[in-house]
Amino acid sequence: KAGVTQTPRYLIKTRGQQVTLSCSPISGHRSVSWYQQTPGQGLQFLFEYFSETQRNKGNFPGRFSGRQFSNSRSEMNVSTLELGDSALYLCASSLLGGRVNEKLFFGSGTQLSVL
Amino acid sequence: GESVGLHLPTLSVQEGDNSIINCAYSNSASDYFIWYKQESGKGPQFIIDIRSNMDKRQGQRVTVLLNKTVKHLSLQIAATQPGDSAVYFCAENFNTGGGADGLTFGKGTHLIIQP
Repeated sequence: KAGVTQTPRYLIKTRGQQVTLSCSPISGHRSVSWYQQTPGQGLQFLFEYFSETQRNKGNFPGRFSGRQFSNSRSEMNVSTLELGDSALYLCASSLLGGRVNEKLFFGSGTQLSVL
Repeated sequence: GESVGLHLPTLSVQEGDNSIINCAYSNSASDYFIWYKQESGKGPQFIIDIRSNMDKRQGQRVTVLLNKTVKHLSLQIAATQPGDSAVYFCAENFNTGGGADGLTFGKGTHLIIQP
């Protein structure tokens, strides 16, 4: 069974631009979560989607958004990029997610650099 | 908000020795804990999990101990191998009944295996 796939692997953008990252969960998994990883802040929860609905959201500004499609694939978008948005963006999938305690399976991430 | 932390940013052990990685959490309402391993250039990989109604769980060469009295979590790796070199994260999950329910990660311990 294929794992969580994230594209692109690397991305370089300039301040003010916007970016869209893509994630394909493990087949059969309906929950997709997004995390931001930086050396200073570590891994921080962005949001979670389940059945095309955002179910949970972390403490990030509205410039960070996402969506999920009917096939459970998910995208996240960051608008008006800032230097501080440079990070590794990780996508994780699970069967049910949300308030069910289950392990998450992570992709290899998209390394975003904002210049 | 409350967060999960780790005692040591770096831990160096001899190959073949046992490793113990510690984690302190502060949210007494947390009911699920996970250990992840992250190798360079990869996303976090699930190692083992434990629910709050347990105090010990064993996997292959790994054991997780949970002490709810002092809010302490540890990961023991037996007979450490070179392939165990990675950053190890503990994570907690608590169901707030609303708001962000994503996993809260500690900042990680870099395990270095000495030959």
